[in-house]
Order: sequence, then structure tokens, then C-alpha cells
Amino acid sequence: AQSVTQPDIHITVSEGASLELRCNYSYGATPYLFWYVQSPGQGLQLLLKYFSGDTLVQGIKGFEAEFKRSQSSFNLRKPSVHWSDAAEYFCAVGAGGSQGNLIFGKGTKLSVKP
Amino acid sequence: EPEVTQTPSHQVTQMGQEVILRCVPISNHLYFYWYRQILGQKVEFLVSFYNNEISEKSEIFDDQFSVERPDGSNFTLKIRSTKLEDSAMYFCASSGYRVGYEQYFGPGTRLTVT
Repeated sequence: AQSVTQPDIHITVSEGASLELRCNYSYGATPYLFWYVQSPGQGLQLLLKYFSGDTLVQGIKGFEAEFKRSQSSFNLRKPSVHWSDAAEYFCAVGAGGSQGNLIFGKGTKLSVKP
Repeated sequence: EPEVTQTPSHQVTQMGQEVILRCVPISNHLYFYWYRQILGQKVEFLVSFYNNEISEKSEIFDDQFSVERPDGSNFTLKIRSTKLEDSAMYFCASSGYRVGYEQYFGPGTRLTVT
């Protein structure tokens, strides 16, 4: 069965430091992969997506992610974190089937130190 | 920018009562979804809806749940007789014309069952 693992529950980084959030997936075919961000009291905002092609994808707010099939990973990165990036980040895989519902990881909460 | 909206933002109900959660998807989208997130847990798929019928549903989506698109804009989730374990954040999402397209989420409705 498809699944998504985000091994880090909570990460704290200093403002201006680089960030990498880990995501591993289990899926039989070429997956559709997504990163969403959830600020407190807000809904889920799409940061970026991978469907096919270039394995390094760019998203909004300066985020990027790299799809590595050999490692079944889709890690999210940002070179310089801003205080406003503090939020919870969810990795998701398209489950396939006829309508493509998403399977989410448990999320990683990001705190940013001044 | 078009967005998915949900009402109410917070609903408190007593066990055994019926609730209806409302969503207005993005206007030109054709696929609609409900997800839920129990506090501290991952976002879970409930149901997908296309062409006025359910496309897929999860094990969570039992006979207590139903969905409807009563008009051209609204998409509702009804819980017939609420249970304490139905307390969660419920997210509506919509996506465009192709399977696997990115899904856009609403801000969620927090349902509290007492």
C-alpha cells in the first residue's frame, strides 16, 4: 500500500540558515508528489509538485524539492529560512486510482529561531 | 486568486446530532474531495466526487457520511449522527480537469463533538 514517511516531527532552525525536510514514500509506479504547508489556523497551501520530468522542482516562497527515485525520497529544501516559514509541512503522494486522492505524511513542524 | 472556501470555520455539536459542512470549490474545477485531520494525526482521505457521484471513498467514510453537490457551486459533507471520534478538522479540496492534478484545499472546518 502507498505510504508517506516524514521522519522528523519537529525541526528548529535559525533564521537565515538552510533547511531540508525529509520525505520518503512507498509507491509502486511513478508517483505524483506534493509538498503542502499549513500555518496555524490556516488550510493547506500547495508549495510545489512533481509529476514527471526534471527531478528538481521549484515552488513558491523560495522552496525546492528533489525527487530521487533510487531513494524513494522527495526532500524539501530552502537555502535561507525566514521567520515567516514557521509552519507545519506535509509531504503527500497521489494514491493513483481513478481520482487520485492524496496520502499524507504526519507532517514536520518547523520552528524558526531569531 | 481563486480559492476554496469552507463554512463554518468551527462547529460544535452534541453527540448524535447531524452536521453539514459546506464547501465552495474553485469554480472551474471538476474533482472534489473531503479529508479530515484528527488533532495530532495525519490528514486522511475521506471521499472523492466527480460528475455528481462518489468516485472513491476510504474505510472511514461509512454509512454515517454522505456528500452532495446540491447546486453548481456548493459541495457538502453530512455526518448523520456524530460521534465523539468524529471531532477533527475537515478539509475540502478541489482539483482541475485531470487525474493527479494538484488539489487546492480550503481553510478547514473544526468540528467538535461533545
